[in-house]
Amino acid sequence: AQSVTQLDSQVPVFEEAPVELRCNYSSSVSVYLFWYVQYPNQGLQLLLKYLSGSTLVKGINGFEAEFNKSQTSFHLRKPSVHISDTAEYFCAVLNQAGTALIFGKGTTLSVSS
Amino acid sequence: EPEVTQTPSHQVTQMGQEVILRCVPISNHLYFYWYRQILGQKVEFLVSFYNNEISEKSEIFDDQFSVERPDGSNFTLKIRSTKLEDSAMYFCASSDQRGEAFFGQGTRLTVV
Repeated sequence: AQSVTQLDSQVPVFEEAPVELRCNYSSSVSVYLFWYVQYPNQGLQLLLKYLSGSTLVKGINGFEAEFNKSQTSFHLRKPSVHISDTAEYFCAVLNQAGTALIFGKGTTLSVSS
Repeated sequence: EPEVTQTPSHQVTQMGQEVILRCVPISNHLYFYWYRQILGQKVEFLVSFYNNEISEKSEIFDDQFSVERPDGSNFTLKIRSTKLEDSAMYFCASSDQRGEAFFGQGTRLTVV
């Protein structure tokens, strides 16, 4: 079965610093990967996705992620974070049957001034 | 912009009672999902629904749970006899193809 591991449960950073949120997935023939963001008391919003093509994927709010097949990783990055980026970030992979997204445990990004 | 809407936003119920959580998916979407997030934990898949039948369900989705698409717009999750451990945020999602899912704002279910 597909699975996702988010290695960091909490990432505290200062405003304007770069950040990387790590995500590793279990290997598969083909893989579709997603990053979702959850702001306090809100639902999940898609940040970006990798379905095929370029391994560097750009998303909303200045985030990007790189699909690395050899390392089975899909790390999320932002060169300069804002206070408003404080949220829970979830990495997800589509299961083999294509019928469900399987989520990681989430990483809490806390940005302070 | 089209969105997935869920009602109610918050539901409090007594243990053993039945609850129905309602969702209106995006109108041209064909795949529908329910997820659950217990406070402080990860988002867990419950069930996916396509072509008027369940396409996949997790081990969490036992006989106490059921889903229905009673008309062309609503997608409901029913919990027959709620338990304390059913307290969670329940998210509905829909997609027009297998992959990117759009999520609702969630229903916070509190079982007392």
